[in-house]
Amino acid sequence: AQSVTQLGSHVSVSEGALVLLRCNYSSSVPPYLFWYVQYPNQGLQLLLKYLSGSTLVKGINGFEAEFNKSQTSFHLRKPSVHISDTAEYFCAVSAPALNSGGSNYKLTFGKGTLLTVNP
Amino acid sequence: KAGVTQTPRYLIKTRGQQVTLSCSPISGHRSVSWYQQTPGQGLQFLFEYFSETQRNKGNFPGRFSGRQFSNSRSEMNVSTLELGDSALYLCASSGGRHEQFFGPGTRLTVL
Repeated sequence: AQSVTQLGSHVSVSEGALVLLRCNYSSSVPPYLFWYVQYPNQGLQLLLKYLSGSTLVKGINGFEAEFNKSQTSFHLRKPSVHISDTAEYFCAVSAPALNSGGSNYKLTFGKGTLLTVNP
Repeated sequence: KAGVTQTPRYLIKTRGQQVTLSCSPISGHRSVSWYQQTPGQGLQFLFEYFSETQRNKGNFPGRFSGRQFSNSRSEMNVSTLELGDSALYLCASSGGRHEQFFGPGTRLTVL
């Protein structure tokens, strides 16, 4: 079964700083990886995804993530954050559900990292 | 295309009552998944429906049930509500094997 670990439940940085949000996963098959963002009182919005190909993935709002197979990581970063980036960020892995014979996939989320950007 | 819609957005119920939440997926999407989000447990998978059939199920008691209609709209039902059922319930639709699109959620408060 797959799992996701996000290191750091809360990260606080100043506006304009570089931010790195850490995500490690475990999966018995090559994973499909995602980062979602949740603003207060809203649903989740997809930031970026890794399905295959280049290990550096660029997403919306200037975010990017790098898939590292040997370290089973998919860390999210942004070179210069803005106050509007204050939100909760979730890393997720999609892998075949148990007993599905690989026919359907299940999305498993990490616990989330609350990012606070201070003026 | 219109996004995923969920109704109602907010609900207040008392213990012992039952509740039905509704989700309309993105047009053309046949898969609908439901999640419960709480501060303590984070995002937990409830179940997934595909073409009116439950395809995956999480570890929730039988009080939590769902269904999907022929137009792919889905409902979830919680019977005999408990205080611990207070949460944000999120619905997500998918048109493929991996990417899911989320609705704004239904905030359920159980008193």
